[in-house]
Amino acid sequence: EDKVVQSPLSLVVHEGDTVTLNCSYEVTNFRSLLWYKQEKKAPTFLFMLTSSGIEKKSGRLSSILDKKELFSILNITATQTGDSAVYLCAAQGGSEKLVFGKGTKLTVNP
Amino acid sequence: GAVVSQHPSWVICKSGTSVKIECRSLDFQATTMFWYRQFPKQSLMLMATSNEGSKATYEQGVEKDKFLINHASLTLSTLTVTSAHPEDSSFYICSASPPPQGHTEAFFGQGTRLTVV
Repeated sequence: EDKVVQSPLSLVVHEGDTVTLNCSYEVTNFRSLLWYKQEKKAPTFLFMLTSSGIEKKSGRLSSILDKKELFSILNITATQTGDSAVYLCAAQGGSEKLVFGKGTKLTVNP
Repeated sequence: GAVVSQHPSWVICKSGTSVKIECRSLDFQATTMFWYRQFPKQSLMLMATSNEGSKATYEQGVEKDKFLINHASLTLSTLTVTSAHPEDSSFYICSASPPPQGHTEAFFGQGTRLTVV
């Protein structure tokens, strides 16, 4: 059965801290791994990773994929209160469906 | 990025009535769309895959007669919750990917908060 496991499930930090969110996956015919940020409504897209070892970066956020070890990390540097959200990791297999992890709830305190 | 629009964003209905939720891809055609359900403080659970011009594919445990899916055009999929009950109250979200599908990121609709009273 395909599965995605995220850790930690919850994280509380202070503004300015750097955080690392983890995602491991087991998906048949793996195609890509995606990160989303969910605040109050629908998830918004952050990154899509298909190749190992190539870091994707967007401002203070970055992500990398390790296809050998079957995991990905999402880094956020110099966190801000606006980064508070649930971060979802999803893996896509051969069927085009996305399998989501339970998410990491990040709280950034001022 | 691509735009997926979902309507309504929230709806309250009485037990026993049916509710239709629409999901539209505004600037691309989608032969496949996905419907998810999300309970409070939980992740997205895939309910079904909506296939344009053919029957939807439902995940295990999802009642196809209760959650009717119609994908009549390349830009519109609808989810109808039939004979709704309070336990159907949840957040429903659709997603679609621009072509080539399966190789691009999924974009989500705004979600629909359904409350059955």
